[in-house]
Amino acid sequence: GAVVSQHPSRVICKSGTSVKIECRSLDFQATTMFWYRQFPKKSLMLMATSNEGSKATYEQGVEKDKFLINHASLTLSTLTVTSAHPEDSSFYICSASTGGRGNTIYFGEGSWLTVV
Amino acid sequence: AQKITQTQPGMFVQEKEAVTLDCTYDTSDQSYGLFWYKQPSSGEMIFLIYQGSYDEQNATEGRYSLNFQKARKSANLVISASQLGDSAMYFCAMRETDTGRRALTFGSGTRLQVQP
Repeated sequence: GAVVSQHPSRVICKSGTSVKIECRSLDFQATTMFWYRQFPKKSLMLMATSNEGSKATYEQGVEKDKFLINHASLTLSTLTVTSAHPEDSSFYICSASTGGRGNTIYFGEGSWLTVV
Repeated sequence: AQKITQTQPGMFVQEKEAVTLDCTYDTSDQSYGLFWYKQPSSGEMIFLIYQGSYDEQNATEGRYSLNFQKARKSANLVISASQLGDSAMYFCAMRETDTGRRALTFGSGTRLQVQP
């Protein structure tokens, strides 16, 4: 079964509204979570690194005021797209790491966001 | 400069045959990890195989093997006995551990189509 759960899997929202996407680690405590964005037929681009109990680290070019990330607990990180515009429509996917140098990286199922 | 390069946007293979998906990488880290993921049309990222930079043997996982050539900085994925269900996007990714950055950097992907 999934060790990282992402919700909702699909969401449609109106322009100007905000939408929240949740990423939960189910069987482990994730000190770090990552949020990626993927445009159709393109690769995954890292948006930000979410660290439990501290501010997220955003990649260059990602608007931190538009894409709010909160990692309030060791099992939950949320991405809120504020004042959504149609160009924010995309596939958003999170991943979680238990830390260390190994290959323990788990992905959520992803969330398809459509802004109309 | 791109850190992960996948030069094959699309590949076709006949069912039951083997196929090699190319991946080259660029890093100055001594310690790093290389990953391959499969992404079907549903969007989920399915972990296939992992190779650590210090691993002396090529990684294998069932029908998947990784042809790791460190000096050439290549980490090609070999899928043996292709099945129709193997049709998907395949992404090569790297995590550079020397820098402490635990996020994955992805290549542009290869779309594999298995023909009956």
